[in-house]
Order: sequence, then C-alpha cells, then structure tokens
Amino acid sequence: DAGITQSPRYKITETGRQVTLMCHQTWSHSYMFWYRQDLGHGLRLIYYSAAADITDKGEVPDGYVVSRSKTENFPLTLESATRSQTSVYFCASSDLGQDEQPQHFGDGTRLSIL
Amino acid sequence: QKEVEQDPGPLSVPEGAIVSLNCTYSNSAFQYFMWYRQYSRKGPELLMYTYSSGNKEDGRFTAQVDKSSKYISLFIRDSQPSDSATYLCAWWGTSYGKLTFGQGTILTVHP
Repeated sequence: DAGITQSPRYKITETGRQVTLMCHQTWSHSYMFWYRQDLGHGLRLIYYSAAADITDKGEVPDGYVVSRSKTENFPLTLESATRSQTSVYFCASSDLGQDEQPQHFGDGTRLSIL
Repeated sequence: QKEVEQDPGPLSVPEGAIVSLNCTYSNSAFQYFMWYRQYSRKGPELLMYTYSSGNKEDGRFTAQVDKSSKYISLFIRDSQPSDSATYLCAWWGTSYGKLTFGQGTILTVHP
C-alpha cells in the first residue's frame, strides 16, 4: 500500500540504550522529516532530509542521529537514550508543494524511556 | 517570541456550534498556511492549505488568512462529535523547505 510507515508503533527502553525508529515512504518524495510531539510544544522538527545522503538539523537535533542512504527510508537513532527523549515521534515526507498536501505524516512511534 | 502562537484551549463546544481556532505568526517569510487535524494516536492530516489572504472554504471548514495582521483562523460550522481532535496551524516558507507548527488546540464537540 502507498503511504508512509513507521515502526515500531510503541517502544519501551531504558536510559543509555540505543534506539532506532524506522520510517519508510512509497511515494518517492524527495523530502523527509522527523518531528517529536510533546504536550505544550506541538510538533518540533528534529532533522530533515532534502534527498538521499543530504540531511540537516532542525529545531531540536541534540541526541539524535539520522541517515538517508535510500530515498524511501529515513531512520532516526537515539544513540544513548535519555528520559527527556520520551515522546511521540512522527515521520513525514513531502514533494515540496507539488501537490495539495505539502507533508504526509505517519501514525507515529510512541517511545518511553525508563 | 515564538514564530507561531496558537490558542492552547482546550476547547469544548456542543454539537452544532460554530468553532473558531486562531493562530498568529511573526515571520513575514511565511508564504503557505495550513491547518492540520490530528486524531488521538494518529498522525496529522491536512485539512486546509492556502497561500493568499482571504477566505477559503471546504465544506463546513473555512480558513481565513490576514497577512497584514499575521493572523490565521479556522472556522468549523455545524460542528460534529467527529470533529473532536487536535487542530494544528502550520506555516511554510519555501526558503526554509520545512513547516513551522503551532502548539495545537484540543477540541471536543459533545453531543
């Protein structure tokens, strides 16, 4: 099915562990984004990518690493998880306004760090 | 000052009411204006999208943009319980290539 898929949907881990959140899109959109959503802060951009092998920092990049070796995948890694990274993480993709939906979102990964 | 300010709510209205949701922004570079709706445990989905001042209607929804005042609104007529969700305003300037979101307003429409 066409769309954007995030995995896992739910994850519980401990502080200090490495965690990777996966994002896969089937539209061949050039842009992909990672956001975190926290109460009182709305959606905040962590990292984004304009194309394969091109990534850039967003508003809250500290503690996160991304890569984009293929257009359709954009994994987000927490190298050493901290409790402050407990959040809901959303991946999005965009062809930068070529259609009426500038960004398509996945359904999120709910991450809890104990 | 945050680039985007959104009334936090929460907002609770009876079924059939007219709902008004509002956001202000400070960056004149913002060119495109959007409203997203987000149901519980789902990702945001686009409701309305416009790049000009004035009103844009889509069924029961009207988006209003005032670039001179840097203010946007979303009106929902004849609100339904199925409209209960979080509503996020967003701006996009092509010089950035990314969206800036408001904090979101939680809306509950009760029967």
